[in-house]
Formats: sequence, structure tokens, C-alpha cells
Amino acid sequence: EAQVTQNPRYLITVTGKKLTVTCSQNMNHEYMSWYRQDPGLGLRQIYYSMNVEVTDKGDVPEGYKVSRKEKRNFPLILESPSPNQTSLYFCASSASGGAVDTQYFGPGTRLTVL
Amino acid sequence: GQQVMQIPQYQHVQEGEDFTTYCNSSTTLSNIQWYKQRPGGHPVFLIQLVKSGEVKKQKRLTFQFGEAKKNSSLHITATQTTDVGTYFCAGPGGAGSYQLTFGKGTKLSVIP
Repeated sequence: EAQVTQNPRYLITVTGKKLTVTCSQNMNHEYMSWYRQDPGLGLRQIYYSMNVEVTDKGDVPEGYKVSRKEKRNFPLILESPSPNQTSLYFCASSASGGAVDTQYFGPGTRLTVL
Repeated sequence: GQQVMQIPQYQHVQEGEDFTTYCNSSTTLSNIQWYKQRPGGHPVFLIQLVKSGEVKKQKRLTFQFGEAKKNSSLHITATQTTDVGTYFCAGPGGAGSYQLTFGKGTKLSVIP
């Protein structure tokens, strides 16, 4: 089954404790991205990747890191999480450039930073 | 940068009534996409519009792309409880951009 998976689905952590949210897709998609969703603010793009080893900042990249060493995986790293990063995070992938192609979203990761 | 404005933010309708959400961009869009997110779920792609003045239908859903390619609308005829969720429009972040900018969404509630 074609899908985007994210782990963990729920995470409660404390300020400053490094964490990684994994994202994997099995559709051989070139493009992957991360979004955060906050009430009243909709979906905001954090980072995106057009291919392996090619990443770029979205609208809200501060406090986040990403890497794309393999085509199928696109982990989101929070080196020193802060409470304002409490949010619902979605990973998405598409066959080609995200702006012109269907985005397939993962199930989401709900992160709480205390 | 590119902005995509969506109104209304919330809409409560009686089951059987129609519903419309509007999306406006500050710049001309090469295309626009629409997504639906059910409560507790993730966004799911509905449709993409590319041509000026384009109208597409999916059963009770009608999608329009403005002549100037700066606005779009989603109209649902005779809403059902299964239509509940948040509807998002999304457009390219700019000319030649790989970035996708989402509107803030319209949350639809349907009263049975």
C-alpha cells in the first residue's frame, strides 16, 4: 500500500532534549516536506527536499533541521526543542515538485514540549 | 512572499444547505490545489486546477479557478455530515517555486 509513515505519532518531551521525528514514503517520490499545523494558522511549511541531498527552507525553518540521505526518508530534527514548537507535524511527499503535484500526507505527529 | 487568503475561517450549516469557501492569492497562480482534512486526520488531496476559468466537479463538489488565476472557490451542494472537516487551498510559493503555500483553511460543521 502506497503510504507515508511517521514516527512517533505522539511525543511529550522537555525543553532542550533533542528529538527526531522520522518520515518514510514507499512511492519513490522525489519531493518531501515537513509542515506544522497550529490552530488558526493552518499548515506552514518548515523544510522541503527536491531530491536526495537537496533541501531548502520553507516558511518557518527556525529551530528545525532536516536531512535527506535516502530518497525514502526525510527525518525532522529538533536539536533543542522549546515550548513554542508544540504542534501537530505532518510529513508529505509528491512525485515531483510540491507546488505542481499531489501531496500525500503522513498521519501526523503530535508533539508537546514542556 | 506569496500569500493565500481563505475565507470564511468557520462555517456552520444545516445538513442539506450549500457551502462555499473562497481562496484569494496576492499574485497570479500557475495552479491551485484543494485538500480536505477530517477531524483528527491528515490533509487529503481533492483536486488541482490549472487553467484560467477552469471548473471541475466531483459529485456534489464544484471547484472553480478564476479568470485571472488569483482566486478559487469550492462549493458543496446539499451538505452531508460526511462533509465535515477543514478545507484548504494551496498554491505555489512563487514563480518557479517548489514550495506550496496553504491557506488557513475553512472549518465546516454540518448540523444534522
